[in-house]
Amino acid sequence: DTAVSQTPKYLVTQMGNDKSIKCEQNLGHDTMYWYKQDSKKFLKIMFSYNNKELIINETVPNRFSPKSPDKAHLNLHINSLELGDSAVYFCASSPGVAGTSVDTQYFGPGTRLTVL
Amino acid sequence: AQSVSQHNHHVILSEAASLELGCNYSYGGTVNLFWYVQYPGQHLQLLLKYFSGDPLVKGIKGFEAEFIKSKFSFNLRKPSVQWSDTAEYFCAAPNFGNEKLTFGTGTRLTIIP
Repeated sequence: DTAVSQTPKYLVTQMGNDKSIKCEQNLGHDTMYWYKQDSKKFLKIMFSYNNKELIINETVPNRFSPKSPDKAHLNLHINSLELGDSAVYFCASSPGVAGTSVDTQYFGPGTRLTVL
Repeated sequence: AQSVSQHNHHVILSEAASLELGCNYSYGGTVNLFWYVQYPGQHLQLLLKYFSGDPLVKGIKGFEAEFIKSKFSFNLRKPSVQWSDTAEYFCAAPNFGNEKLTFGTGTRLTIIP
């Protein structure tokens, strides 16, 4: 069974479009994250949620809006896509509680977003 | 703010060579340290971690890392690398509030058969 899954794996779209990436974890973790990995492999946290509550928002443009319908899901919606949004987006989950402690993070397979 | 430095950007070794990848962090109040590996086209996987106890920690696939508090370092080692170790390696440490991970810029390791 896949522990952290993301859909879609690849996403190619035009500038200005709106798109969503979905993430699900079956590990029973309370904390989930979104990371952005740029073309130089630099990995930066974007958001974290603990049991559906936003804990970390790393000054990401408000075109990015995470949504957590329940603690097993954390989706990422992006409005008005720009060229600079092209990257690989990784979802992760952790048994730690974001905001109080950091534990091992389990990453999804990533979504490669290409904005044309 | 926490910063994590990986000074080796790209390391090329022959099979059976010994490996050491450097990692230094800035905020000394933390002791939770991680190494993750990303094989080509795949997601990040935990290689090993240090939380407390013996500063020499062993991970998967023969990797180990040594936590040296006085040097703010957590270097990764492997005595004999294999072609399958070709990957990107990331060191990570929590920030000041221990609420999120800061990743290093990664080291690309290429093993020549």
